[in-house]
Amino acid sequence: KAGVTQTPRYLIKTRGQQVTLSCSPISGHRSVSWYQQTPGQGLQFLFEYFSETQRNKGNFPGRFSGRQFSNSRSEMNVSTLELGDSALYLCASSLGYPRVNTEAFFGQGTRLTVV
Amino acid sequence: GENVEQHPSTLSVQEGDSAVIKCTYSDSASNYFPWYKQELGKGPQLIIDIRSNVGEKKDQRIAVTLNKTAKHFSLHITETQPEDSAVYFCAASMGNSGYALNFGKGTSLLVTP
Repeated sequence: KAGVTQTPRYLIKTRGQQVTLSCSPISGHRSVSWYQQTPGQGLQFLFEYFSETQRNKGNFPGRFSGRQFSNSRSEMNVSTLELGDSALYLCASSLGYPRVNTEAFFGQGTRLTVV
Repeated sequence: GENVEQHPSTLSVQEGDSAVIKCTYSDSASNYFPWYKQELGKGPQLIIDIRSNVGEKKDQRIAVTLNKTAKHFSLHITETQPEDSAVYFCAASMGNSGYALNFGKGTSLLVTP
């Protein structure tokens, strides 16, 4: 069974640009969560999607957005990139509602560098 | 927001010794507590988890304990091996629904032969 797939693995963008990251969850999983990982702040929750609906949102500015498609694949978008957005962006896949608080499996992440 | 505190930030043990990592959380509604291991260049890997209706769970050399009253939970690794060297993260669910997790800042574990 394939794991969580995130593309691309690496990205270099310039300040002010926007970026879209993609996540394909484990087959049969319908919930996708996104996290930002930085050396200073650690792993921080961005948002969670289930059935194409955002269920939870972390404390990030509106420049960070996401969506989920009918096949459970998810994308996140960051607009007007800032240097501080440089991070590893991780996607986690879970079975989804009504089962809650079950295992979340992470992808390898997308390393975003903003220059 | 709600916090998860994790200690120590670094831990060095000799092969065969035990390692203990401790976490505290502040969200009283948290009821799911997973632990992840992250190796260089990889995403976090779930190694064990515990739910609030259980006080202890064991899986081979790894065990986790939970004290809901004190809002503490701990990871215990026995008979450590060099391949256990990695960064370990504890996490607590945000509230009692959904999949959002609050993470600790991580513990860098080094097991020396």
